[in-house]
Amino acid sequence: DVKVTQSSRYLVKRTGEKVFLECVQDMDHENMFWYRQDPGLGLRLIYFSYDVKMKEKGDIPEGYSVSREKKERFSLILESASTNQTSMYLCASSVSRDRVFQPQHFGDGTRLSIL
Amino acid sequence: DAKTTQPNSMESNEEEPVHLPCNHSTISGTDYIHWYRQLPSQGPEYVIHGLTSNVNNRMASLAIAEDRKSSTLILHRATLRDAAVYYCILRDVNSGNTPLVFGKGTRLSVIA
Repeated sequence: DVKVTQSSRYLVKRTGEKVFLECVQDMDHENMFWYRQDPGLGLRLIYFSYDVKMKEKGDIPEGYSVSREKKERFSLILESASTNQTSMYLCASSVSRDRVFQPQHFGDGTRLSIL
Repeated sequence: DAKTTQPNSMESNEEEPVHLPCNHSTISGTDYIHWYRQLPSQGPEYVIHGLTSNVNNRMASLAIAEDRKSSTLILHRATLRDAAVYYCILRDVNSGNTPLVFGKGTRLSVIA
């Protein structure tokens, strides 16, 4: 089974801190994604990556950056954390675009609180 | 990707079948219908997908209307573990691996 592992289930940080959320997948997937999920707003895409060192902005990239130095790891960075970034963060991965159908596999999420 | 419409919530009794509807009146000929679900405190997981014909797998069945403007996810015998938010998502076959776009989904409650 595909395993997408997010480094922390719960995280508490302070306003202004630089925060790193780590995601690792073990199935050699090319594509990786970061979403955030908020009540009433559903899942919203922050950034995604089709390959190492590649990144694409999603719908809400402001205040975030990402890093993909290795194929299996995709990091989400909050440059200067703010209280409106308190949320559930979900990482996902999938195989390359050559396949007709490729489900996205999700981690269990990191619940981040910014105080 | 075309838009889908789902009820906000549904309730079912345990051991009974559940039919979760999804309307997608603007579906195009190359849109696949995908279903994901999100159990409490977990990330979404893939359930099933189809194009025109009805589909069955170990988790559920997918019934697709002849005009493809609607579909129904069928859980044959609901269990408490099926309580989740169910998302119906359309994806063009040519969209490659672009990210999924999630709507609000249907929150299914299962009563013992």
